[in-house]
Amino acid sequence: DQQVKQNSPSLSVQEGRISILNCDYTNSMFDYFLWYKKYPAEGPTFLISISSIKDKNEDGRFTVFLNKSAKHLSLHIVPSQPGDSAVYFCAASANSGNTPLVFGKGTRLSVIA
Amino acid sequence: NAGVMQNPRHLVRRRGQEARLRCSPMKGHSHVYWYRQLPEEGLKFMVYLQKENIIDESGMPKERFSAEFPKEGPSILRIQQVVRGDSAAYFCASSAEVISSYEQYFGPGTRLTVT
Repeated sequence: DQQVKQNSPSLSVQEGRISILNCDYTNSMFDYFLWYKKYPAEGPTFLISISSIKDKNEDGRFTVFLNKSAKHLSLHIVPSQPGDSAVYFCAASANSGNTPLVFGKGTRLSVIA
Repeated sequence: NAGVMQNPRHLVRRRGQEARLRCSPMKGHSHVYWYRQLPEEGLKFMVYLQKENIIDESGMPKERFSAEFPKEGPSILRIQQVVRGDSAAYFCASSAEVISSYEQYFGPGTRLTVT
């Protein structure tokens, strides 16, 4: 039973355009959501996060949107750059932190120059 | 380098041997998590430890797997009598000793291959 779902295994975007990565969750107890970026043969790198009390968090080119009623979040990257090509994982946490993260299967983003 | 350290980066074991994976958390972090990633899958939680204590081991197989985080030294994930299905990337993450700390910072992983 997958509690965090990333339904698009891959996404291709032209350089300079917007990349939108989606994530759905089923567990209402999740109160914090994180996005990680992963290059091959490396560990995941923390990118951006959002608390369930917010609906948007922005950091430079990266913005995460949260729709609690739909149990859906999305990561927007604009403008996309070739260096953004990586696998992006959505993760969720419950019970006010210091608990294990539940990960989606990831979306492989390819930014084409 | 103040990041999470893992070693070895690559480990090859024959079926039936033991595998020991080490993780040193970021400086100032006392919470350690182990995750496993199978090919084309997301990361799956295995075990959560604080110094000298296992907090949550609900994701760890009951047989052959054990973990520790001693007062001194790195956290160790130990797999006894490895089988081919144990081949995976094992990642360690750490988080800070503060209330409501959500962000976890990952090491580069250990890639275990069982032949």
